[in-house]
Amino acid sequence: QLQLQESGPGLVKPSETLSLTCTVSGGSISSGGYYWGWIRQPPGKGLEWIGNIYYSGSTYSNPSLKSRVTISVDTSKNQFSLNLTSVTAADTAVFYCARFSSGTGDFDYWGQGTLVTVSS
Amino acid sequence: DIQMTQSPSTLSASVGDRVTITCRASQSISRWLAWYQQKPGKAPKLLIYKASSLESGVPSRFSGSGSGTEFTLTISSLQPDDFATYYCQQYNSYFPTFGQGTKVEIK
Repeated sequence: QLQLQESGPGLVKPSETLSLTCTVSGGSISSGGYYWGWIRQPPGKGLEWIGNIYYSGSTYSNPSLKSRVTISVDTSKNQFSLNLTSVTAADTAVFYCARFSSGTGDFDYWGQGTLVTVSS
Repeated sequence: DIQMTQSPSTLSASVGDRVTITCRASQSISRWLAWYQQKPGKAPKLLIYKASSLESGVPSRFSGSGSGTEFTLTISSLQPDDFATYYCQQYNSYFPTFGQGTKVEIK
């Protein structure tokens, strides 16, 4: 059974960079037909897609965040990562990693999520 | 980007009720529409993909329909485990977007 697990600091200072890693187990991140994505959810609010990456390194991201977002992949570790620069309190959210099926256009496996708070 | 609008935002219903949630897209998305269920403190769970295909392991009381710009999620007989928030999500032009969510509450 495929499992995804987010890891990273739970507290980040304003103007700094938020860095998270998603570790995939029970399957290979290099499986064709799937992208690997990040989604966030501010407390009490809805879901916002951040970006996706293919195992080859090809990425695409939400235009509203694109200038601040970097997504990378490490196939040797079966991991992918998110960097979000110049964070503010508005970036406080639960961050989820998920597998995206390009054939059906949905996120079919999700990590449990990790809360990242931006505060000094 | 394509905007997704769900209605209602909140729905009060009783066990055994038939429940319908609507999702409208700001432009045609063919059948690139998924539905998720989210419970407090948990990750979303995929219920329906490609507008009407039931994800493996999801009870058959859940069904989806629609194409183009209007879609519905129906729960044929609401069960206690179904009280949750539901989100639609479209996929078009490499830019997935989610609806704002519909909270199904106990009446």
